[in-house]
Order: sequence, then C-alpha cells, then structure tokens
Amino acid sequence: QQQVKQSPQSLIVQKGGISIINCAYENTAFDYFPWYQQFPGKGPALLIAIRPDVSEKKEGRFTISFNKSAKQFSLHIMDSQPGDSATYFCAATNSGYALNFGKGTSLLVTP
Amino acid sequence: GAVVSQHPSRVICKSGTSVKIECRSLDFQATTMFWYRQFPKKSLMLMATSNEGSKATYEQGVEKDKFLINHASLTLSTLTVTSAHPEDSSFYICSARASGRSPYEQYFGPGTRLTVT
Repeated sequence: QQQVKQSPQSLIVQKGGISIINCAYENTAFDYFPWYQQFPGKGPALLIAIRPDVSEKKEGRFTISFNKSAKQFSLHIMDSQPGDSATYFCAATNSGYALNFGKGTSLLVTP
Repeated sequence: GAVVSQHPSRVICKSGTSVKIECRSLDFQATTMFWYRQFPKKSLMLMATSNEGSKATYEQGVEKDKFLINHASLTLSTLTVTSAHPEDSSFYICSARASGRSPYEQYFGPGTRLTVT
C-alpha cells in the first residue's frame, strides 16, 4: 500500500507564483522526509529534506513545512520559474532504510 | 561529490535475451545500493536492496530469478534482467548510500531506459 500519499497529481502555476505540494504519511516511525525533483528521462535529485524535530526548513526558494501531529508535510516553491517545471516526489524513510515515495506531482510553470 | 552513474543509459533488446545494467558510485564507496523501477508518469517502486558482499533483499512481488542483482564491490552494483519480455520494459534507476555519510541520504543515478521488443 502507498505509505506516503501525495497531492495534487498535477499543478499549473504562473511564473512568479507559489507552488504547493502536499504529502501525508501514516507510519510514525518515519524520521526523514526528503523531496526529490525529476526531469523527464533523468533520475531524481534531492531538493530538500527535513527531520521531524523541526517544523520548517528553507533553502533558497524551496521550503518544507512539517506538521508532526497531523502527519503531513508540504513543499512550497516561491517565485516559481519555468525551469522548475518537473515532477516532484515526496518520500519518507525510517532510520535511513529504503525510501517510500509518493506518487509524484507534475508541475508546470507557465511564462 | 556523490555522483552515481548508470550504464547503459538506453538499451533495446529482443524478447528472451538478458541485459545487464551497471550502477557505479564514482566518488564514494557505497555500502548499500537500491534498485528502483519506474513506469511512465508513475512513482519509483523499490525492487531490491543490495549490500556489498551479500545477497540482495528483494521486495515482495519482485522475482529474484528474473532480476539478478550483484553488489560485488563498494562502487559497483549490477542488475541483470534475464529472459526479458516486453512487460519488463521500464526505466530502471539505482541509488546509493555512501559509507561514512548520513544513512538517510541516497544519491540517484540517471536511470536506464530498457525497451524489450
């Protein structure tokens, strides 16, 4: 079963806007929550990650918000650019074992 | 650092033949490597986990006799698809965990597109 649920499946945002992708999990043993960016025909690349002891982490235009009690986390892309158009995957892992991926969100940033 | 390569990037083979995909960590030693399969516009599905010098651990539903994984050195893991069939056509991606670094970080290869005709 899907251990990490991701929404929306696709997202269209205008250039300069904010892209928001949400994920939810059930397994409270998960202790590391990364986000990956994948371009067509390429492997995923780590974008940003968070541990459950913090509620927010920001790196440049990318921010993860983490709500431990709700078992939800989200990715915010500020000032979205056409070059951000890609598929984004959230994931979760327990103690560094295998990653459990969400189903992915296809983001299109229009000029 | 932390670069993972895969070879080949694309391969076309005939039904019934076997094909080998290599995954190499170029600038670090990888104690653990993971193999994923990804269908078009779908998520990554973990196939197996391999630790250097030991047998791979396969996920439920993955045929170990069909997808042979060998992790013979700290920088190389191979996935061999034996007696390939068209339904094995997919995008295969490996990732590696670096020894001496955070166990949480996985570095992904660029993927191998397998087409079985």
